Amino acid sequence: EAGVAQSPRYKIIEKRQSVAFWCNPISGHATLYWYQQILGQGPKLLIQFQNNGVVDDSQLPKDRFSAERLKGVDSTLKIQPAKLEDSAVYLCASSLEGAAQYFGPGTRLLVL
Amino acid sequence: EDQVTQSPEALRLQEGESSSLNCSYTVSGLRGLFWYRQDPGKGPEFLFTLYSAGEEKEKERLKATLTKKESFLHITAPKPEDSATYLCAVQEAPGRRALTFGSGTRLQVQP
Repeated sequence: EAGVAQSPRYKIIEKRQSVAFWCNPISGHATLYWYQQILGQGPKLLIQFQNNGVVDDSQLPKDRFSAERLKGVDSTLKIQPAKLEDSAVYLCASSLEGAAQYFGPGTRLLVL
Repeated sequence: EDQVTQSPEALRLQEGESSSLNCSYTVSGLRGLFWYRQDPGKGPEFLFTLYSAGEEKEKERLKATLTKKESFLHITAPKPEDSATYLCAVQEAPGRRALTFGSGTRLQVQP
């Protein structure tokens, strides 16, 4: 069974530029999550989707971050404009309802 | 607000030297407690889910236990390939909420 796919794996941008990340969850998983992991810390939720509806985006900095999940499958996370403190790993995870979450390899973002 | 605290932050063991990692949590209602393993440059890998106090799960050299306030990950006779960061996370009830993670324990097993 294929796991969660993410791209790109690495991205380096200048501050104030925009960037987008893509995630393809495990087939059949209705719930999709985006987490931010800063070096030395555990992942922190940014947004949770159930199918293509938002369940929780309370910790998403909505002035610069946006996310969508069209057709209830793939998802994109966008940052515009990026700040230095956005340097982190962005992890996508998916799950069957109520079950364990399975994570992708992450996208490592460096903002200069 | 949910809190998850893991200790120690880092642990260095000799191969074969058993030990335990701790995860203490405060949550109004626990739906599940999760353990993940994370290798450098990779996403977290699911290990166990525990749902109620007294529950235990085992996988190879790892055993996870749960009480009402904390969970332990016991590592028996570790090998160098067990070196990784171990993350604990809680899922609050009710509903199907996202996970709240601790900061992890970085484990190094020396041959």
